[in-house]
Amino acid sequence: QKEVEQNSGPLSVPEGAIASLNCTYSDRGSQSFFWYRQYSGKSPELIMFIYSNGDKEDGRFTAQLNKASQYVSLLIRDSQPSDSATYLCAVRSSGYALNFGKGTSLLVTP
Amino acid sequence: SQTIHQWPATLVQPVGSPLSLECTVEGTSNPNLYWYRQAAGRGLQLLFYSVGIGQISSEVPQNLSASRPQDRQFILSSKKLLLSDSGFYLCAWSPGSPEQYFGPGTRLTVT
Repeated sequence: QKEVEQNSGPLSVPEGAIASLNCTYSDRGSQSFFWYRQYSGKSPELIMFIYSNGDKEDGRFTAQLNKASQYVSLLIRDSQPSDSATYLCAVRSSGYALNFGKGTSLLVTP
Repeated sequence: SQTIHQWPATLVQPVGSPLSLECTVEGTSNPNLYWYRQAAGRGLQLLFYSVGIGQISSEVPQNLSASRPQDRQFILSSKKLLLSDSGFYLCAWSPGSPEQYFGPGTRLTVT
């Protein structure tokens, strides 16, 4: 069973702070890692993907991957109320399927 | 740029009725296409994927089926809906690389 685990939250951070979202996965052979943002009632939107160990930055978002620890994280700098959403971690191990975690709810308070 | 469409946006169907959900992608050719379901309190579950016309792979055995009659069209069907089929159905596409991009979804309620 290929599992992807996330803390369901809610994670509450004040506006302007750094939000840190974490994800662990069980399949050591996993190769590709994704973060999706999902607003209530809407479909998931791809915001970051990372394939190699280390950090990948895109604007206010940084994805961090540690394959040895089977851990991937998403940092959101200068958090805004519009960042309030559920963040889904997804992992691709083999084939075409993405295995999704159940998501972490983020609330950014003004 | 690429655009993915799904319809209908919402659907309420009685138990035992048939189902047909449609997904189309614009602005690309030969995409990989996927159907996912997101049920309340559960994560996204891959139902079917297709790498080409007429090529369908099923990830979860159930009373649903999928077809790909054209390169950029993906259809999800059922002959008889169950209560457990309620959920948010999402079509996704990828250009062949691992990233997948979701459509707006269809919210299905089976009564």
